[in-house]
Amino acid sequence: DVKVTQSSRYLVKRTGEKVFLECVQDMDHENMFWYRQDPGLGLRLIYFSYDVKMKEKGDIPEGYSVSREKKERFSLILESASTNQTSMYLCASRGLASNEQFFGPGTRLTVL
Amino acid sequence: GENVEQHPSTLSVQEGDSAVIKCTYSDSASNYFPWYKQELGKRPQLIIDIRSNVGEKKDQRIAVTLNKTAKHFSLHITETQPEDSAVYFCAASKNNQGGKLIFGQGTELSVKP
Repeated sequence: DVKVTQSSRYLVKRTGEKVFLECVQDMDHENMFWYRQDPGLGLRLIYFSYDVKMKEKGDIPEGYSVSREKKERFSLILESASTNQTSMYLCASRGLASNEQFFGPGTRLTVL
Repeated sequence: GENVEQHPSTLSVQEGDSAVIKCTYSDSASNYFPWYKQELGKRPQLIIDIRSNVGEKKDQRIAVTLNKTAKHFSLHITETQPEDSAVYFCAASKNNQGGKLIFGQGTELSVKP
């Protein structure tokens, strides 16, 4: 089974802090994605990566950056956390042989 | 850009009844339409998908239909069971986008025993 893990299930940070969310997949998938999930808004794509060291902006990249130095790891960075970034963050991965995205368990981030 | 609208936002049915969730998409180049199910506190999981060269696809109690002309697709669940209670998301994508999906807003389905 594909396994996608995220570094934290719950995280509480202060406004202005730099926040790192880590995602690791163990299936050698080329594509990786970061979404945020908010009630009534569904899953919105923040950034995605076609392959190592490659990244593309999604629909809501403002306030975020990403890093993909190794194929299995995709990091989401909040340079200066703000209260409107309080949300559930979901990572996903996808291999080229299938269209299915496999999701991690999510990180619920609260910014105070 | 591409937009996917999903309705209804909440749906309550009696056990054994059918449930239908509808989505419309804006980009006529979209050619792949998956449905994900997210149970409470869990991660979304793919339950069924359809490509634009097919009008309907079934898998036991669930089916998806696609109307390319009208740019809408629907999820049908028959003989609903309490374990079908979850949030369902539709999505759309097109070729050459690295698997990028545009999701709908989600439908919270509640199946009452």
